[in-house]
Amino acid sequence: QQQVKQSPQSLIVQKGGIPIINCAYENTAFDYFPWYQQFPGKGPALLIAIRPDVSEKKEGRFTISFNKSAKQFSLHIMDSQPGDSATYFCAASWAGNTPLVFGKGTRLSVIA
Amino acid sequence: NAGVTQTPKFRILKIGQSMTLQCTQDMNHNYMYWYRQDPGMGLKLIYYSVGAGITDKGEVPNGYNVSRSTTEDFPLRLELAAPSQTSVYFCASRSPPPSTDTQYFGPGTRLTVL
Repeated sequence: QQQVKQSPQSLIVQKGGIPIINCAYENTAFDYFPWYQQFPGKGPALLIAIRPDVSEKKEGRFTISFNKSAKQFSLHIMDSQPGDSATYFCAASWAGNTPLVFGKGTRLSVIA
Repeated sequence: NAGVTQTPKFRILKIGQSMTLQCTQDMNHNYMYWYRQDPGMGLKLIYYSVGAGITDKGEVPNGYNVSRSTTEDFPLRLELAAPSQTSVYFCASRSPPPSTDTQYFGPGTRLTVL
């Protein structure tokens, strides 16, 4: 049973575009929703995270939108740059001490 | 601080061989994790530990073993390697709640079993 479903699997956008990556979850007990960024040959690194008490969180060019009733959350990258080309993973956990459950990842390519 | 370090970076094993993937963190994190990453499949949890002497199975523990004798180290043991264990393995750590939920990942070990 896949607890966090991520789409699309891959995405190509022009520089300056706004890629959007979506995730849907099933477990209503989840209370922490991070996004991780991974460059080739490197380990994932935390990009931005949100909790269900807010519907949106911005950090620089990255924004998480959260829809609790729909059990969905998404990552938006404003003014995307070639340096944003990476694989992005959404994840979820609950109770603060349970392991993260990851989506399958989205490979983003930003072309100049 | 070095963060989370993993050795080796690359390894080729023959079917049936055994090996230990090493993971060390210098952040005094109680919680540590082992994941495997296969193309298009995301990160799957193999084992995790909430402190020295305490380990628990994740989603895909078969064919692996772990131990946690110190806070810093969390080695992953592969016994009787199989081609299905060809993957990239990541170790991660974090502080226990209520501190930050951020998991810090190591650079990974790319393992090929032939």
